[in-house]
Amino acid sequence: DQQVKQNSPSLSVQEGRISILNCDYTNSMFDYFLWYKKYPAEGPTFLISISSIKDKNEDGRFTVFLNKSAKHLSLHIVPSQPGDSAVYFCAASEDSGYALNFGKGTSLLVTP
Amino acid sequence: GAGVSQTPSNKVTEKGKYVELRCDPISGHTALYWYRQSLGQGPEFLIYFQGTGAADDSGLPNDRFFAVRPEGSVSTLKIQRTERGDSAVYLCASSPRGRADSLTDTQYFGPGTRLTVL
Repeated sequence: DQQVKQNSPSLSVQEGRISILNCDYTNSMFDYFLWYKKYPAEGPTFLISISSIKDKNEDGRFTVFLNKSAKHLSLHIVPSQPGDSAVYFCAASEDSGYALNFGKGTSLLVTP
Repeated sequence: GAGVSQTPSNKVTEKGKYVELRCDPISGHTALYWYRQSLGQGPEFLIYFQGTGAADDSGLPNDRFFAVRPEGSVSTLKIQRTERGDSAVYLCASSPRGRADSLTDTQYFGPGTRLTVL
């Protein structure tokens, strides 16, 4: 059973605009959430994380929003750049250091 | 500094053979994780080491899979009697502390080993 769901397999955005990637989870025990970016033939690269005590975390162009009541999080990239084109994975765990549960990923394409 | 490294990058084997996959974590990281990623899926957890001990092996699919980390650094994932369904990318990750304390702890991934079982 997929506990972390990314319902959009792909997303296309123009350079300079906002990219919004969504993620839903079903396990109410999840307490720690992360986004990873993956290029072909490489391992996932950590992007940004958020713990359940917060509802927003920002790092440069990347912001993650967490809505615990809706069991939903989103990643905002502003402004989007062509180098952001990659597969983005949402991941969640019951606590920091525990096994990560991943979604299937969203392939983001940023066009010039 | 150096990131997580995995060898080999690609491994092709025949059904029924034994394979070993190696992971070198980031120096000083006490926690090490193995994941498996099948085509079109996200990574799936296999096993977690805190130091030398396997603290959580709940993700290992069956007893053909085994992993060790004898000195608390390098880890080897061992698969016996490989099956075609074992074909996947095997990812290793390490983190500074694991579950050792309550601070947020990020897992850093290696490039993976692509295993193909013919």
